[in-house]
Amino acid sequence: GAGVSQSPSNKVTEKGKDVELRCDPISGHTALYWYRQSLGQGLEFLIYFQGNSAPDKSGLPSDRFSAERTGGSVSTLTIQRTQQEDSAVYLCASSPGLRGLNSHGYTFGSGTRLTVV
Amino acid sequence: SQQGEEDPQALSIQEGENATMNCSYKTSINNLQWYRQNSGRGLVHLILIRSNEREKHSGRLRVTLDTSKKSSSLLITASRAADTASYFCATVLSGNTPLVFGKGTRLSVIA
Repeated sequence: GAGVSQSPSNKVTEKGKDVELRCDPISGHTALYWYRQSLGQGLEFLIYFQGNSAPDKSGLPSDRFSAERTGGSVSTLTIQRTQQEDSAVYLCASSPGLRGLNSHGYTFGSGTRLTVV
Repeated sequence: SQQGEEDPQALSIQEGENATMNCSYKTSINNLQWYRQNSGRGLVHLILIRSNEREKHSGRLRVTLDTSKKSSSLLITASRAADTASYFCATVLSGNTPLVFGKGTRLSVIA
């Protein structure tokens, strides 16, 4: 697509429920990133993919968080048994990924605002 | 952990004035990037400056990089109300790893 698309844009869920957040990167971008931003804070790195592989999962806050990417395209971030502290904006970004992750700027989606009540 | 730390945390100026934001970082870098965020949603990439560059311009934006001081500055000239946003610097901790963002500077441009 023309840009990075995230869905849903807003999600309100009850504590303890599972949620799935979707990211559709720019076509041809091999690198895909997930970040989280709490209110008024900076971006917290969660996980990235190079193709379908996730070389670094150390940013995931707990084992309730998981992510996958299929076909080198769409990625899904799943949060199981959601807690109130999971409330945040979840941002996805992609980049060409060639010649290293950071040789180009990242293109961000508009994010998913998750509210756990 | 934050690699880049922006200063000041918040800045309020009149339309037409220049705005300067600073970023300090801790480790050696390949490049440093600046992003803008409106209304707490997606970030927009503004400019990338490589470690062998000292200054870069893009429209009303001017970015400098001082690798000896591990610092960068973003200057927005002739600011407009539409420049009101949060501005983040981003770089890497080591090697081929994803960008790490600072907490940002909240810029308010008053018409």
